[in-house]
Amino acid sequence: GQSLEQPSEVTAVEGAIVQINCTYQTSGFYGLSWYQQHDGGAPTFLSYNALDGLEETGRFSSFLSRSDSYGYLLLQELQMKDSASYFCAVQGNAGNMLTFGGGTRLMVKP
Amino acid sequence: ETGVTQSPTHLIKTRGQQVTLRCSSQSGHNTVSWYQQALGQGPQFIFQYYREEENGRGNFPPRFSGLQFPNYSSELNVNALELDDSALYLCASSPTGALYEQYFGPGTRLTVT
Repeated sequence: GQSLEQPSEVTAVEGAIVQINCTYQTSGFYGLSWYQQHDGGAPTFLSYNALDGLEETGRFSSFLSRSDSYGYLLLQELQMKDSASYFCAVQGNAGNMLTFGGGTRLMVKP
Repeated sequence: ETGVTQSPTHLIKTRGQQVTLRCSSQSGHNTVSWYQQALGQGPQFIFQYYREEENGRGNFPPRFSGLQFPNYSSELNVNALELDDSALYLCASSPTGALYEQYFGPGTRLTVT
């Protein structure tokens, strides 16, 4: 089976940097994705890591260590609009399914 | 480029009834996945369709079934509804070979009473 662990809640102030960690257990690992979901909205794709290292997309970066079965999402220069739930998701098994973590609720305060 | 659309937006059904939810994939995407999302939890994979064939299934009973049509629109059917089926049902399409990059529709909020 597959399972993912991420913190349930994180609070940070505007302008700060926050890191959301994700550890996973899976068979047949293909890659780790990150999604953002605002309250009442649909998840939107943020980033994907198939290989070890850091991927940067604007204010957001994502890191993967395959040997540690660990990844994180780094959000810089936090803005109020970044308040949302963030999900890590692993593509495993035969590559034909995506398993999501329980989500981390990020609250950005002024 | 048209995004993923779903209908209806909200639905209220009674336990034991059957329901059909519909999804129209993003243009050019031939893979569609369906998810169930309970309040405060992550999306749970139900199944995936690729070129009209079921291509993967999560831990859901057979009363959850689906169809994908030649125009890549799809349906999720749930028979013998139970109270625990109350959730947000999300449809997501993805480009060929990029399952990790899913484009989600707005979802259908199903309430079973």
